[in-house]
Amino acid sequence: KQEVTQIPAALSVPEGENLVLNCSFTDSAIYNLQWFRQDPGKGLTSLLLIQSSQREQTSGRLNASLDKSSGRSTLYIAASQPGDSATYLCAVSPDNDYKLSFGAGTTVTVRA
Amino acid sequence: DAGITQSPRHKVTETGTPVTLRCHQTENHRYMYWYRQDPGHGLRLIHYSYGVKDTDKGEVSDGYSVSRSKTEDFLLTLESATSSQTSVYFCAISESEEGNQPQHFGDGTRLSIL
Repeated sequence: KQEVTQIPAALSVPEGENLVLNCSFTDSAIYNLQWFRQDPGKGLTSLLLIQSSQREQTSGRLNASLDKSSGRSTLYIAASQPGDSATYLCAVSPDNDYKLSFGAGTTVTVRA
Repeated sequence: DAGITQSPRHKVTETGTPVTLRCHQTENHRYMYWYRQDPGHGLRLIHYSYGVKDTDKGEVSDGYSVSRSKTEDFLLTLESATSSQTSVYFCAISESEEGNQPQHFGDGTRLSIL
């Protein structure tokens, strides 16, 4: 059974600092990995998807890396802003039905 | 906008009553999913569908059933609701059949069972 872990559970940083969010998974046989953002009381918004054959994806200030062999992904958010405050979840798809196994998330607070 | 609508958005009901949640998509995506989100557990898959009348169980399927009679609608039913099923329920769709497009989620249904 795939286990996905996100550490730390919560993170508080001053505005302008770079954010580094970690995700680890136990089974390296994945189809893809996704990073999502969730605001309080809202649904999930997809940020980045990395296919198993890729090592990283970038979108604006966001960069996600994937190391399948070690079962790790890292989400980097450059020059954080108060608007980046949210919970960030990673999820892996272990098979070709694209079911997702989620981590519990990291709640980020960016202080102005 | 992935065009996913969940209804109802909020519901309060009593233990032992049946409850049906609806997920509607405006496009013809093959894959649809139901997840529940609880504090400390992240999201967990309940059931999913890979086509009309084609469904399968997820990680936490006990006490839930699903139906998909049309491509655009995926229903989740709690036959006899229990307090442990109090949760936020999310529907999702997968845009591609090759795994190279993200999943998109609805806004969720907050269900309270008293």
